[in-house]
Amino acid sequence: DADVTQTPRNRITKTGKRIMLECSQTKGHDRMYWYRQDPGLGLRLIYYSFDVKDINKGEISDGYSVSRQAQAKFSLSLESAIPNQTALYFCATSDPDRLADNEQFFGPGTRLTVL
Amino acid sequence: AQSVTQLGSHVSVSEGALVLLRCNYSSSVPPYLFWYVQYPNQGLQLLLKYTSAATLVKGINGFEAEFKKSETSFHLTKPSAHMSDAAEYFCAVTLYSSASKIIFGSGTRLSIRP
Repeated sequence: DADVTQTPRNRITKTGKRIMLECSQTKGHDRMYWYRQDPGLGLRLIYYSFDVKDINKGEISDGYSVSRQAQAKFSLSLESAIPNQTALYFCATSDPDRLADNEQFFGPGTRLTVL
Repeated sequence: AQSVTQLGSHVSVSEGALVLLRCNYSSSVPPYLFWYVQYPNQGLQLLLKYTSAATLVKGINGFEAEFKKSETSFHLTKPSAHMSDAAEYFCAVTLYSSASKIIFGSGTRLSIRP
């Protein structure tokens, strides 16, 4: 079974709709992240959370919000989706006890298309 | 602030040939460096990492990378390419004090010719 899962894997929606992408992990990690991937731009950090009560903006948080419902769950919401939010979205986790190397573990991704 | 530059958005090599994917970093303090691989329709998987131990780092699937401080480089190599190596490769950098934030390069797509 995958350690980091994302639902849905694919989603097509219309401009103005509210969308929620969900991430769950069984690794027991406190730290979780949301990235978006666009061709030629690599991965860019949207939000990150170090525990349930600690949520931080990344470099491209405008237009997004997050919720850390539990240690194992971290959701990303698009309140009013727009076409330039069409991208591949990844959730990731890391273990604070391994801060020395900062390795992150990624989910399989959610492909979101906003029409 | 740290950054990563990957030279070449697309690299094509013949099966059995040397693979060389270039990565240069910018950091004011010694960084930790990573190479991740993304196979089609999958998430990112760690290939190898440099964390200030040995400068030559060996990873999975026969890949290795050498940290060269004087050149601020961390190029990824594999002596003999295999068809299964076709994927997108990302170089990434982080600092011990950066609270787990990783900065990714823009990626290099590796194609293997039969």
